[in-house]
Amino acid sequence: NAGVTQTPKFRVLKTGQSMTLLCAQDMNHEYMYWYRQDPGMGLRLIHYSVGEGTTAKGEVPDGYNVSRLKKQNFLLGLESAAPSQTSVYFCASANPGSSIGANVLTFGAGSRLTVL
Amino acid sequence: RKEVEQDPGPFNVPEGATVAFNCTYSNSASQSFFWYRQDCRKEPKLLMSVYSSGNEDGRFTAQLNRASQYISLLIRDSKLSDSATYLCVVTPRGTYKYIFGTGTRLKVLA
Repeated sequence: NAGVTQTPKFRVLKTGQSMTLLCAQDMNHEYMYWYRQDPGMGLRLIHYSVGEGTTAKGEVPDGYNVSRLKKQNFLLGLESAAPSQTSVYFCASANPGSSIGANVLTFGAGSRLTVL
Repeated sequence: RKEVEQDPGPFNVPEGATVAFNCTYSNSASQSFFWYRQDCRKEPKLLMSVYSSGNEDGRFTAQLNRASQYISLLIRDSKLSDSATYLCVVTPRGTYKYIFGTGTRLKVLA
């Protein structure tokens, strides 16, 4: 049971390059999220999706785009990378519900991105 | 004011000690509450959900105080392996968002 898988795990980019981070989950979760984590800043929500074909902006969406064409996949794109986007990116997924154990957020292992 | 606030620490405690962390949240309509644990350079992992009546899981006890808008985590008989950053997470009612505190760092010393 893989859970949430992120690729790539590491990437170095030059300023202005583009790239896509892929998140895949095999738990049939409805909700998916992209966070970035920087020292002293905690986890900040970039974009999220509450179902296939839907996306919404989080706290820090500028410079990023996302797509959720399939329920199990959530892609995060950087069209023109900037040094300020150097960070660790975490994908997470969850299922809605109020029962015990529901709506628990499960994370991928993270993707470390450096923009030079 | 941040939506979720935590004391960053570090809390340095000896093995066997009891330590408690608090987390305050600003949205009174918050619905769900969690404590996550994050080890250095790893992903956050669920430690425990926090229920209205309080709940316990082994050496860990979580409590929710809606009137004062805070949740707490108590760790008894601290182990070296408890050294980590503990993240408080809140989901505001009517949204799909999970809001994270910046975390409290715990170091358990031998």
